[in-house]
Amino acid sequence: QSALTQPASVSGSPGQPITISCIGTSSDVGLFDYVSWYQQHPGKAPKLIIYDVTNRPSGVSNRFSGSKSGNTASLTISGLRAEDEAAYYCSSFTTSSTLVFGGGTKLTVL
Amino acid sequence: QVQLQESGPGLVKPSETLSLTCTVSGGSIRTYYWSWIRQAPGKGLEWIGYLYNSGNTNLNPSLKSRVTISEDTPKNQFSLKVTSVTAADTAVYYCARVHCSGTSCYSFGSWGQGTLVTVSS
Repeated sequence: QSALTQPASVSGSPGQPITISCIGTSSDVGLFDYVSWYQQHPGKAPKLIIYDVTNRPSGVSNRFSGSKSGNTASLTISGLRAEDEAAYYCSSFTTSSTLVFGGGTKLTVL
Repeated sequence: QVQLQESGPGLVKPSETLSLTCTVSGGSIRTYYWSWIRQAPGKGLEWIGYLYNSGNTNLNPSLKSRVTISEDTPKNQFSLKVTSVTAADTAVYYCARVHCSGTSCYSFGSWGQGTLVTVSS
């Protein structure tokens, strides 16, 4: 199974929105609504911020939102804050009944 | 709230077996699904496998021939074994609880803090 494709880095200014893409195939992202997103600060464990494409776990800010179109899923962060600077990973269920992650995107808040 | 803690040797010799344990507190291991995930230094996340429904497993095909995931219900623990390790297995290993919403159980809602395992002679 190949990793999902994410941009290596994105950046934005405080208060601005940013979007991170996650490109898969018709065997994973395109077929299932089981895309998740994780935020990871340096030296910390990842934190689930979006599951099943659009759903936020309890306690996660509504500044985080997810969507999907075809084989591409997206994470949007609105009203960027300094504390959003972190690495972000997508994952998807696959036709092999396995999970695959994206390579990760480092978000820099300018 | 469920909490997870990984434990095991931080250094393993090449060709030997890596063994880690995840201790679960605040919930029964029988109630949820569980997983192991690893992250090589400076790299992304790699899913290793699931443990579900009293001992069933689903494993990453790229690791399947070397990986075993099992549970110890009386101790409320589950474990990971990776045989014939090489330097490529050096990583921070995380155990995680699968987040379920209805019949969808494909994300990881709670994570341990992670433990670094280095493969070196």
